Amino acid sequence: SQQGEEDPQALSIQEGENATMNCSYKTSINNLQWYRQNSGRGLVHLILIRSNEREKHSGRLRVTLDTSKKSSSLLITASRAADTASYFCATGSGSARQLTFGSGTQLTVLP
Amino acid sequence: KAGVTQTPRYLIKTRGQQVTLSCSPISGHRSVSWYQQTPGQGLQFLFEYFSETQRNKGNFPGRFSGRQFSNSRSEMNVSTLELGDSALYLCASSLDNYYEQYFGPGTRLTVT
Repeated sequence: SQQGEEDPQALSIQEGENATMNCSYKTSINNLQWYRQNSGRGLVHLILIRSNEREKHSGRLRVTLDTSKKSSSLLITASRAADTASYFCATGSGSARQLTFGSGTQLTVLP
Repeated sequence: KAGVTQTPRYLIKTRGQQVTLSCSPISGHRSVSWYQQTPGQGLQFLFEYFSETQRNKGNFPGRFSGRQFSNSRSEMNVSTLELGDSALYLCASSLDNYYEQYFGPGTRLTVT
């Protein structure tokens, strides 16, 4: 079963705009990760934020984590057409390499 | 470094048959996890292997099994295939102490 939900399910923006996706989860976590998937292919790891961190940056990506609200957001700045993909949050608990994925947000960036 | 490879990439089987999927992790990665992705259920964890031992198992029936070899390569097997087993099966590898997982391109299984 999935840990939580992502919001929105689909997002369509113009190139150059910022895209924000949200993720909610249900149980306590060690870390939260974001992955990108292009058209039914394998997932690509984007960024990991640990439970004791509140914000993390990587290039055009900014992730925030609010453990009190059990939620996270992914911001992609200055989006490009190549950012068009599905974005998934995944939570890691305990020492196991078991990730529990959200339902994903389909991002479409229009040129 | 070469990425995670999965074979075959596409597979068509009929109900009742069995199938074996293969995954070669990134060199040096000892942990291999398997996930099933379907439009209805999304991404679901199947199992994780480390040093030839299954450490974790998701909520799937016993028809789904796996193993890991001494070179960290892993296989998963699905017996008595059902139509609902049609999915993209993803393999991921990771280093021992890290949580980031590196995914292969997946095997698209279609059961008819």
